[in-house]
Amino acid sequence: GAVVSQHPSRVICKSGTSVKIECRSLDFQATTMFWYRQFPKQSLMLMATSNEGSKATYEQGVEKDKFLINHASLTLSTLTVTSAHPEDSSFYICSASNRDTRSYRGRFFGPGTRLTVL
Amino acid sequence: DQQVKQNSPSLSVQEGRISILNCDYTNSMFDYFLWYKKYPAEGPTFLISISSIKDKNEDGRFTVFLNKSAKHLSLHIVPSQPGDSAVYFCAASENYGGSQGNLIFGKGTKLSVKP
Repeated sequence: GAVVSQHPSRVICKSGTSVKIECRSLDFQATTMFWYRQFPKQSLMLMATSNEGSKATYEQGVEKDKFLINHASLTLSTLTVTSAHPEDSSFYICSASNRDTRSYRGRFFGPGTRLTVL
Repeated sequence: DQQVKQNSPSLSVQEGRISILNCDYTNSMFDYFLWYKKYPAEGPTFLISISSIKDKNEDGRFTVFLNKSAKHLSLHIVPSQPGDSAVYFCAASENYGGSQGNLIFGKGTKLSVKP
């Protein structure tokens, strides 16, 4: 299957700093990127959906000014957690797909980024 | 309120036996269901799916059963192998959106297959 990478895999930062997480599709054009968050013992929750070249669509309850998403190319999307606080500590995972692929088989997930805010 | 529920956080099975992972849902608008498998340090990978118009879908050792009236689905793995040890996520979607649609995930069940 296709490969989606995330960088960094793990990050620890101080409260108040901003953290950028990269999601790359390595062998296909990702017209759509999904960003999920998973708190301990909880399910993956969709935060936002972004289409290449467009503004991201955020799910209810997700602050768009806090979680900045950029999807400027067909292979890269970034999630920036601005002014991170301990409650933002979570597992962030991206998923990429190409709109020409009709099946869910065409959606691929990255390995995730563990964010810990001290 | 959790729309997709996997009530067993873990399951341990002997190699060669059947593994049954369960999933319940509350939203009657869901019409497509998927199972994903996740190894440590890797992203979830698609395993098998089923449309609401079917009650069974089989792919090799993996079979998914759907009981719409009970809003319940299950994943059967027969025979179980140590390489099947992973976290399994159940996911559901409304109005099948293909690769672009939103997926609602359960919390996952960690399967351990003992040699």
